Amino acid sequence: AQSVSQHNHHVILSEAASLELGCNYSYGGTVNLFWYVQYPGQHLQLLLKYFSGDPLVKGIKGFEAEFIKSKFSFNLRKPSVQWSDTAEYFCAVKGSNSGYALNFGKGTSLLVTP
Amino acid sequence: ETGVTQTPRHLVMGMTNKKSLKCEQHLGHNAMYWYKQSAKKPLELMFVYSLEERVENNSVPSRFSPECPNSSHLFLHLHTLQPEDSALYLCASSQAVLGHGNTEAFFGQGTRLTVV
Repeated sequence: AQSVSQHNHHVILSEAASLELGCNYSYGGTVNLFWYVQYPGQHLQLLLKYFSGDPLVKGIKGFEAEFIKSKFSFNLRKPSVQWSDTAEYFCAVKGSNSGYALNFGKGTSLLVTP
Repeated sequence: ETGVTQTPRHLVMGMTNKKSLKCEQHLGHNAMYWYKQSAKKPLELMFVYSLEERVENNSVPSRFSPECPNSSHLFLHLHTLQPEDSALYLCASSQAVLGHGNTEAFFGQGTRLTVV
């Protein structure tokens, strides 16, 4: 079955620590890849996206992600997190064979402590 | 401000009630979506509309009935819901349906629904 897996459900980091959140998917064919963030009490907003081209994608707020096709992965990274990065992070995949659906992982809750 | 507005933000309803969720997008998009976000589960796509025509219905129970009167508005009519339907219902829109070009989805803040 087609799916999106986020390996870390809860992550706690201190400010200035580096962040890497894993995302793997099980779709064949062409994929569009996204990371969304949901700050407490706010709507889902797009952090970054990959459609084609350079597999290293830079997004807002210093986030980046790397598409590794051979590993079916799209991990999210940030070199130095801030307290304001505390939020829920969702990986999402649009597969060429998945109709109109944007399929989400279960999310990773990140808590950054001062 | 996301450009996608959902009302109400919170709704408590009994199992015999009829209520409607409203979504409005101010982005000039042609596609709109309803998603369900339950605790500890991935977001689930419920319905997709493209140019006011329903193009996808993901085996959603008939107690959920969508309506898209125009490309800017999307409703979700609710009747005889069950307690397990309690969740955050998210509306989203995109310029075209996802997969057609480099299209991304924009989400509203959601309606927190509690069925008692």
